[in-house]
Order: sequence, then structure tokens, then C-alpha cells
Amino acid sequence: DAKTTQPNSMESNEEEPVHLPCNHSTISGTDYIHWYRQLPSQGPEYVIHGLTSNVNNRMASLAIAEDRKSSTLILHRATLRDAAVYYCIPLYAAGGTSYGKLTFGQGTILTVHP
Amino acid sequence: DTAVSQTPKYLVTQMGNDKSIKCEQNLGHDTMYWYKQDSKKFLKIMFSYNNKELIINETVPNRFSPKSPDKAHLNLHINSLELGDSAVYFCASSQLGMGTYNEQFFGPGTRLTVL
Repeated sequence: DAKTTQPNSMESNEEEPVHLPCNHSTISGTDYIHWYRQLPSQGPEYVIHGLTSNVNNRMASLAIAEDRKSSTLILHRATLRDAAVYYCIPLYAAGGTSYGKLTFGQGTILTVHP
Repeated sequence: DTAVSQTPKYLVTQMGNDKSIKCEQNLGHDTMYWYKQDSKKFLKIMFSYNNKELIINETVPNRFSPKSPDKAHLNLHINSLELGDSAVYFCASSQLGMGTYNEQFFGPGTRLTVL
């Protein structure tokens, strides 16, 4: 499994953009970069994933470095509801021998101030 | 409609007892998982079933036995409960295979407390 490094915690103000970094220097060429988040007292939820190109969806954007050794999850306008633990997880998206096993690191605790 | 549901939500029991946690998904997925989140908040996969067959079995004590009666259900039975089993257990489901990106949907969790 590729090792990931994320800051333990970050803070933001409401309505401001948040950039959550992740280093995954040992990522395999076939691994997608997935981001999940866990809101307080809830199960994790999928946020976004990408392979090489930057990706956007209704929740967030994902910027992937050209060498794929790092990525950044971007929340364009943080809300109080975005306060959560954010995890970046390299994963072979099509299943393969990993069979979809999500290997969670310690994640980044995001605090959003009103 | 709840996509992935777990029962019970809370479970308090004595050491040495046997207990079960049930999980059901109504998403039509072919793969289901059990994850454990300990007191330090580390989330770790325990088991996974694909079309009722065990495909992931991490280093988990034999006291833990998953059972998948059909694709929509994955239950977890724990024998001889120990203090260290206290944790939140999450069930998840996804659709594996080429052309899918394996988005996993998690249940709300079952908080198990062993006294």
C-alpha cells in the first residue's frame, strides 16, 4: 500500500477556500487518488477521486501534481458542515488485488470557524 | 431510504459474551466490508465479501466471524468479547470491477462497548 502523509490539522474560516495537501510519493502508476471525509459521529463518505488530471465535482476539486507524488483537495468555500477528518487514499479503482480495500491514514482534522 | 444500515447502533455487553452486528445495503452492490475504528480513531479494514465470497481477511482474531447470507447482507459475529474489542464498527459497500471507481458507501456505525 502506498504511504500517505497529511497535516494533522488545519483551520479555515467559513466561506473561505481550503487547500488540503497530501503526499503520496510511493503511489503506483495504476492507483487512483481517493479522498474521503468523516464528519463527527458518522461513517466516512466519498469526496472525490482522480488519476492524473485535475477533477471537479459538486463537493470539491482535486489537483494532482504532474509527477503524481502529491495532491491537494480544494474546498472552494468552506462551510461549518465541512468540518471533518479528511483522508487521502491511493487505491486501484478497478478492484484488482486490492479488492477495493481502503487503507486509512491519520487524516487531516479540518476545523471551520464561523 | 438508507443506503447502508447497521443494527444495533449501540451495543454494551460484558466480557466473554457473544454478540452480532448486522449490516444491509440496498444499493445493489456486489461487495461489502467491515471496518473497525478504535479509540484513537484509526480506521482499519477487517473483512470484505464479493458476491458472498470472502476476498479480504486482514489479521483479525478468529473470534470474529463474518457471514454473508446474500449480496445485500454482511453480518459480523464476535465470540468471547474482550475489552480491546470496544470500538466503532462500520459496514460499507461498493461495486467492484472494471469501469467502476469503487466508491464505498458507509453505514452509520455500531459503537460496541465491552465492560
